[in-house]
Amino acid sequence: AQSVTQLGSHVSVSEGALVLLRCNYSSSVPPYLFWYVQYPNQGLQLLLKYTSAATLVKGINGFEAEFKKSETSFHLTKPSAHMSDAAEYFCAVSGSSASKIIFGSGTRLSIRP
Amino acid sequence: DAGITQSPRHKVTETGTPVTLRCHQTENHRYMYWYRQDPGHGLRLIHYSYGVKDTDKGEVSDGYSVSRSKTEDFLLTLESATSSQTSVYFCAISESAGRNTGELFFGEGSRLTVL
Repeated sequence: AQSVTQLGSHVSVSEGALVLLRCNYSSSVPPYLFWYVQYPNQGLQLLLKYTSAATLVKGINGFEAEFKKSETSFHLTKPSAHMSDAAEYFCAVSGSSASKIIFGSGTRLSIRP
Repeated sequence: DAGITQSPRHKVTETGTPVTLRCHQTENHRYMYWYRQDPGHGLRLIHYSYGVKDTDKGEVSDGYSVSRSKTEDFLLTLESATSSQTSVYFCAISESAGRNTGELFFGEGSRLTVL
């Protein structure tokens, strides 16, 4: 079975500051990991995904995430926050042989001017 | 944009009435999912389908049933709606899963209120 835990339901950073959103996973098989973003009143869209290739994954809009097996983590970072990054971010996991994709509870990112 | 249409987009109903939400795709993707989104819970998987007439339960399947009689349509039914089923429901599709896990494409959501 797979699960994800997102630490912090709300993160607030200043414009231009580092963004760090935390995700820890649990999986009985090698996981595939994803970050999705949801803007207000919209569905989710994929930011990036890890599928056992490079451990550092680059996504859209300057985001990246690093898969750390020893820490069972897949934290999302962006060096410099922009006002347009304000949204809710979801970490998700899927097992290597499973169709299920399980999401975390989400982290709402606010950007201060 | 992926061709996913959810209907209805908004619905208000009373406790005990049946409700069916429809997800229609034009992408011919094999995998289809129903999630519900609630504050503090993120997205929780209700049911999913890995082919015509092939479905399986997710994390929160109690009180819900699904059907997929053709590739393009995935129906979610609440046989007797309860207030706890008030939520925003999202349909998602994926071309692949498992070893070749691909991207989920989401519909715009269906907001259901059960009074």
